[in-house]
Amino acid sequence: GAGVSQTPSNKVTEKGKYVELRCDPISGHTALYWYRQSLGQGPEFLIYFQGTGAADDSGLPNDRFFAVRPEGSVSTLKIQRTERGDSAVYLCASSSGTDGNTIYFGEGSWLTVV
Amino acid sequence: AQSVSQHNHHVILSEAASLELGCNYSYGGTVNLFWYVQYPGQHLQLLLKYFSGDPLVKGIKGFEAEFIKSKFSFNLRKPSVQWSDTAEYFCAVWSPGGAGSYQLTFGKGTKLSVIP
Repeated sequence: GAGVSQTPSNKVTEKGKYVELRCDPISGHTALYWYRQSLGQGPEFLIYFQGTGAADDSGLPNDRFFAVRPEGSVSTLKIQRTERGDSAVYLCASSSGTDGNTIYFGEGSWLTVV
Repeated sequence: AQSVSQHNHHVILSEAASLELGCNYSYGGTVNLFWYVQYPGQHLQLLLKYFSGDPLVKGIKGFEAEFIKSKFSFNLRKPSVQWSDTAEYFCAVWSPGGAGSYQLTFGKGTKLSVIP
């Protein structure tokens, strides 16, 4: 497809379990971002990839959160030992860098930890 | 750290009313400014953006925004709203973040409800 694709769209997991969220950016986009949006809040930055490397992971809340982008395209956000406070929509976005700093968002993965 | 303030949490308007949503940011350097819209059940979509040049920016669906550098503001406007404009609107600022990179920082959003 033409847009940013995220899977799963919805995930319900038990407290303490491990979760992986996948993002497939727009083809050719070198920059990839993960954001988290809690109810009633705007999206909050988690991590930014330029190519395969994490250029900025300053937004990751703690060491339970980790993200990879091994081949410079698809990225996986990994959350260990999930807590109820991790419940949120996790948004992935990508940009090409050729149209300024315009970032295009996917539809998000809604994570509910019960 | 950069902060973005959106003054109204929820705005309720009748159709054909004029709209102005406030947005202020804190970073004093060069910024790129955006408004995103999120319709119910849909993903964030770019409404308009300002990088440089004319501070009055026109976007899709009749929206416009004015960048006022001295006021650190980028307010969103529309002369006459429609029921289909019901959505949540997010102001965002592209500016230096942690680790030496640039980040897009969002405000908390303003929910707009348009009554037919």
